[in-house]
Amino acid sequence: NAGVTQTPKFQVLKTGQSMTLQCAQDMNHEYMSWYRQDPGMGLRLIHYSVGAGITDQGEVPNGYNVSRSTTEDFPLRLLSAAPSQTSVYFCASSKNPLPSVTDTQYFGPGTRLTVL
Amino acid sequence: GEDVEQSLFLSVREGDSSVINCTYTDSSSTYLYWYKQEPGAGLQLLTYIFSNMDMKQDQRLTVLLNKKDKHLSLRIADTQTGDSAIYFCAEKSGAGSYQLTFGKGTKLSVIP
Repeated sequence: NAGVTQTPKFQVLKTGQSMTLQCAQDMNHEYMSWYRQDPGMGLRLIHYSVGAGITDQGEVPNGYNVSRSTTEDFPLRLLSAAPSQTSVYFCASSKNPLPSVTDTQYFGPGTRLTVL
Repeated sequence: GEDVEQSLFLSVREGDSSVINCTYTDSSSTYLYWYKQEPGAGLQLLTYIFSNMDMKQDQRLTVLLNKKDKHLSLRIADTQTGDSAIYFCAEKSGAGSYQLTFGKGTKLSVIP
């Protein structure tokens, strides 16, 4: 099992550019989510999905799109990058929406994005 | 909206106990979680507690919940240098969504 993988690890964009952050998991988890982590802040939920074909907005969805065409993949698209989107982005997956220690939530290693 | 507060820093000597505190505002919180984040890594779920429990112990970790004061704590016994990390408190409200609200994290430094 590779767990949760994220690509790229680092990315620098110019304002207005678009890009897709990739996230994949090989654990057959139904629930996947995207968070952003800003310095000195806790994680904030951007979008989540409870299964293929189903997505919903989290706390900070503006400027981001997601899709879930397969169970394994949950890409996050930045439509027109802005400096306010400079952050570390984490993808996570779990079997069920509510994590527990026996059904834990797995996080990817993160993508560090800088928007100039 | 919901809010979760934590102190930002804690420094302890190796072998001592660490106590990381968290307060939350949502009285309908059903689950409360503690996560650990090591440098350059994603979050790792350490433990959680249901809102109808007062205490949960798991090896070196003890979680105490005071629901009346909306106060959660994580005690790490016999703290080791490998415990140095940022610890996040998170709550899941009873509002029917799957969203967790995270605190800003407490950076635990363990002095050898």
